[in-house]
Amino acid sequence: GDSVTQMEGPVTLSEEAFLTINCTYTATGYPSLFWYVQYPGEGLQLLLKATKADDKGSNKGFEATYRKETTSFHLEKGSVQVSDSAVYFCALSAGNDYKLSFGAGTTVTVRA
Amino acid sequence: DVKVTQSSRYLVKRTGEKVFLECVQDMDHENMFWYRQDPGLGLRLIYFSYDVKMKEKGDIPEGYSVSREKKERFSLILESASTNQTSMYLCASSLWGASTEAFFGQGTRLTVV
Repeated sequence: GDSVTQMEGPVTLSEEAFLTINCTYTATGYPSLFWYVQYPGEGLQLLLKATKADDKGSNKGFEATYRKETTSFHLEKGSVQVSDSAVYFCALSAGNDYKLSFGAGTTVTVRA
Repeated sequence: DVKVTQSSRYLVKRTGEKVFLECVQDMDHENMFWYRQDPGLGLRLIYFSYDVKMKEKGDIPEGYSVSREKKERFSLILESASTNQTSMYLCASSLWGASTEAFFGQGTRLTVV
């Protein structure tokens, strides 16, 4: 079945450091790919998405490129801030029923 | 703003009780989902629904059932709560289609004692 594997955390960084969180997927057909973020005490919200190969999603300084050849959708940010501390989830939607499947989540802590 | 509202933020129930978790969305979305979130396991799909009275099992449906009598409301039912169902439960909704954004509620922290 469809599945998402993402880098295990936790990840601890200093402010202005480079962040990358790896995500790979297994899916039949051509899934849409997402990154969701969960800030402390809040629900999940969409960070960015890409719907076809080579698409780049971007938002709030974060970027991820849909790589069909490597079945990957890695999340990157060039200079993190303390406010980026959160749990990040990679997700995909595929198939006729558009079931949304998530990875295990990566906890990121940014220290001042 | 899209709003997905879950009826309780925190709930404590006894083993064997029947538990209802309610979720309401106000954006006329076709799809609704129930997930549980556990540390190290991420979000696991329990059930989802793509239309009124329609439901599909997710990855971990055992011990749960759902009801969708109206488009805006999706209920998760624990027929006989057990301690291993202690978890954070998240409801979400989205428009029909693979590329649409899912909107999440704040979650219900259920503790079964």
